[in-house]
Amino acid sequence: KQEVTQIPAALSVPEGENLVLNCSFTDSAIYNLQWFRQDPGKGLTSLLLIQSSQREQTSGRLNASLDKSSGRSTLYIAASQPGDSATYLCAVPNGGYQKVTFGTGTKLQVIP
Amino acid sequence: NAGVTQTPKFQVLKTGQSMTLQCAQDMNHEYMSWYRQDPGMGLRLIHYSVGAGITDQGEVPNGYNVSRSTTEDFPLRLLSAAPSQTSVYFCASGQRGGVSGELFFGEGSRLTVL
Repeated sequence: KQEVTQIPAALSVPEGENLVLNCSFTDSAIYNLQWFRQDPGKGLTSLLLIQSSQREQTSGRLNASLDKSSGRSTLYIAASQPGDSATYLCAVPNGGYQKVTFGTGTKLQVIP
Repeated sequence: NAGVTQTPKFQVLKTGQSMTLQCAQDMNHEYMSWYRQDPGMGLRLIHYSVGAGITDQGEVPNGYNVSRSTTEDFPLRLLSAAPSQTSVYFCASGQRGGVSGELFFGEGSRLTVL
């Protein structure tokens, strides 16, 4: 059974700092990995999708990397802003339509 | 560009009542699914569908029914609500069932069962 772990569970950084969020998974037979952002009381917003054949994906100040062999993905946020404060989740599908496993998330607070 | 739309956003039920959470998507996605999100439990899959007329159970299907009569709509029915079903429910859709495609989520439906 796929297990997805996100460490740390919570992170507080000063504005302007570069930071890295981690996502680890136990089964490397994945099709892709998706990073989401969730604001309090809101739904999940897709940030980046990395296909299993890709090593990284970039969108603005966000860069996500994928290392299938080691079962790891990182989300790099450059020059963090207070508006980046949210919970970040990674999701990994493998083995079929029903098998999308979510991490429990990292709650990020960027302090002005 | 509506994406995934869920209604209602908030609902309070009494134990034993039934209700339907609505989900609609306008992206012509084949795959639709329902998740529930509980503190400390993360997101858990309830039911999913890979096309009109095709549904299957996820991780926590008990107490819920679904149907998929059109590509656009995927309602979730609570047959006899229980306090354990108090949760935030999310509908998601994707072009290829989440296997190689991106998942898109609705804003959520917050359900309280008294």
